[in-house]
Amino acid sequence: DVKVTQSSRYLVKRTGEKVFLECVQDMDHENMFWYRQDPGLGLRLIYFSYDVKMKEKGDIPEGYSVSREKKERFSLILESASTNQTSMYLCASSVTGTSGLNTDTQYFGPGTRLTVL
Amino acid sequence: EDQVTQSPEALRLQEGESSSLNCSYTVSGLRGLFWYRQDPGKGPEFLFTLYSAGEEKEKERLKATLTKKESFLHITAPKPEDSATYLCAVQASWGGTSYGKLTFGQGTILTVHP
Repeated sequence: DVKVTQSSRYLVKRTGEKVFLECVQDMDHENMFWYRQDPGLGLRLIYFSYDVKMKEKGDIPEGYSVSREKKERFSLILESASTNQTSMYLCASSVTGTSGLNTDTQYFGPGTRLTVL
Repeated sequence: EDQVTQSPEALRLQEGESSSLNCSYTVSGLRGLFWYRQDPGKGPEFLFTLYSAGEEKEKERLKATLTKKESFLHITAPKPEDSATYLCAVQASWGGTSYGKLTFGQGTILTVHP
């Protein structure tokens, strides 16, 4: 079974703090993704990575950065947390292929509920 | 721009009362359509991937179908434990920076009463 883990289930930070959210997957997937999920707005893609040290902006990258130094680990960084970054953060991973069962399917972690005070 | 619309927003069923959830989409070349289940406070759990019109997949009381414009998630004789939010997402054919990117719908909140 694919397993995606996230470093914290709940996190409370203060405005202006630097925040690190970490995600690890154990299936040797090339692609990793960070989303945030807010009521009424659904899931929105922040950043994704399709290889080590590679990153691409998603739909809402402002205020965030990412790091992927190893294939299995993808970190989301809030350089200076703000109250509007209070949200549920979800990490996902997928394998790329031209065929095969569930190719491109994204598998999600349990989520990190971040509150910025 | 890829778009996904799910209906209804919320659905209340009695245990055993079968129904369907709808996912309408517009995408520039469909690579895959995905169904997920999400319980409150948790990450989405993968259910199905559909790749081409006419394809169907089943898992326990759930059956997903796909046409060129929409997908249905049929729930047969639901139980209270089927209560969750069901999310639909599409992936467009690769090109540019859309590498594996999914576009999600807003979800349907399903409540099954005993």
